[in-house]
Amino acid sequence: DIQMTQSPSTLSASVGDRVTITCRASQSISSWLAWYQQKPGKAPKLLIYEASTLENGVPSRFTGSGSGTEFTLTISSLQPDDFATYHCQQYHSYAYTFGQGTKLEIK
Amino acid sequence: EVQLVESGGGLVKPGRSLRLSCTGSGFTLGDYAMNWFRQAPGKGLEWVGFIRSKPYGGTTQYAASVKGRFTISRDESKSIVYLQMNNLKTEDTAVYYCTRDRDAAPYCNGGRCYWGPPWFDPRGQGTRVTVSS
Repeated sequence: DIQMTQSPSTLSASVGDRVTITCRASQSISSWLAWYQQKPGKAPKLLIYEASTLENGVPSRFTGSGSGTEFTLTISSLQPDDFATYHCQQYHSYAYTFGQGTKLEIK
Repeated sequence: EVQLVESGGGLVKPGRSLRLSCTGSGFTLGDYAMNWFRQAPGKGLEWVGFIRSKPYGGTTQYAASVKGRFTISRDESKSIVYLQMNNLKTEDTAVYYCTRDRDAAPYCNGGRCYWGPPWFDPRGQGTRVTVSS
């Protein structure tokens, strides 16, 4: 299976900050990468797919980039609603696999 | 509006069976690939299995951890996808989510098709399965 390594595991930031989360695949997955936001007790929400395509309705402050094995999710100006856990996921090959998650906390 | 609602979870003893349901609305279930995922308490997300859309044969694939014990099927007349879980183990304890692929058709190139991405209903809460004696 393809291993996904996500960092950092926890990130403390303030409203208005710019933050970046990194995801690394153990082998090339081309651009078959998605980012999800998850809040406690809720299902994940698809933010970005194909590494950089913004899902409908997702604010433009979310940006995804990368291809091959290195990917990033950037939030340009944190809003109160953005404090959540973020997951990267490869859908290049079965078994689909996820990063360990990044919990974005208010500083 | 697309909606996915999971049900059927509960408390079950090791070795027993349980069947989860995922009822879809706002779209034609048979036109889409569907996945099941799970999340153990305090842990990350884990893919469980997948059923291809009807036009692509409706075949299934499973994670190694559940292969031979779990079966995904669908009843298009009811717009339901099922996850039949047999010989449950304590490590199967988790919240289970179903997803629909974002798009009806995979991307196919050079004889290979790429499915996904999986779309979770953000209003969903999954269904909780607890395996304990």
